[in-house]
Amino acid sequence: AQRVTQPEKLLSVFKGAPVELKCNYSYSGSPELFWYVQYSRQRLQLLLRHISRESIKGFTADLNKGETSFHLKKPFAQEEDSAMYYCALFRGKLIFGQGTELSVKP
Amino acid sequence: DAGVIQSPRHEVTEMGQEVTLRCKPISGHNSLFWYRQTMMRGLELLIYFNNNVPIDDSGMPEDRFSAKMPNASFSTLKIQPSEPRDSAVYFCASSRKGGQMNSEAFFGQGTRLTVV
Repeated sequence: AQRVTQPEKLLSVFKGAPVELKCNYSYSGSPELFWYVQYSRQRLQLLLRHISRESIKGFTADLNKGETSFHLKKPFAQEEDSAMYYCALFRGKLIFGQGTELSVKP
Repeated sequence: DAGVIQSPRHEVTEMGQEVTLRCKPISGHNSLFWYRQTMMRGLELLIYFNNNVPIDDSGMPEDRFSAKMPNASFSTLKIQPSEPRDSAVYFCASSRKGGQMNSEAFFGQGTRLTVV
């Protein structure tokens, strides 16, 4: 079964610290993976997709097929990064992980 | 485009009542998704449509839940009868190319449902 796992429900760091939000997926083919972000009481919005190999707001995510992972990273967290982050696998529909709440403290 | 529009934004209803949530997808998008968000389970896909046709409703929790998409610009999610455990935020999303690569989904602002 296709599944996305985000093992951490809450991740709390201090401003300026590095951040890594973990995401593992189970799918035997070539995955299409995304990270979505939801700021407080706002709609979910796309943060980045693996195919684009882009950096958005300082965040990057690298697909590691050997480890079936797509961790989201940022070298220096900012307070405005505090939000819910969802990793998602696209297979005709978006399958989301349970989400990780990132809290960046001053 | 105003994006995906959901109504109402908030709904408080009594147990046993019928609840209807509405969604207007982005014009030109041919896939529509209904998700439920709770603290315990995160984002769960309930059902999705391609070209107004339901493709996968395996996430619909019970027969009390039903969804329709009578045309390309409107969808409803109905709960009848509602129960307190249905309390959640319900999101609608649409995308341009259902089933194809790199289909970004655009989400509505959600309907916060409280069943008392």
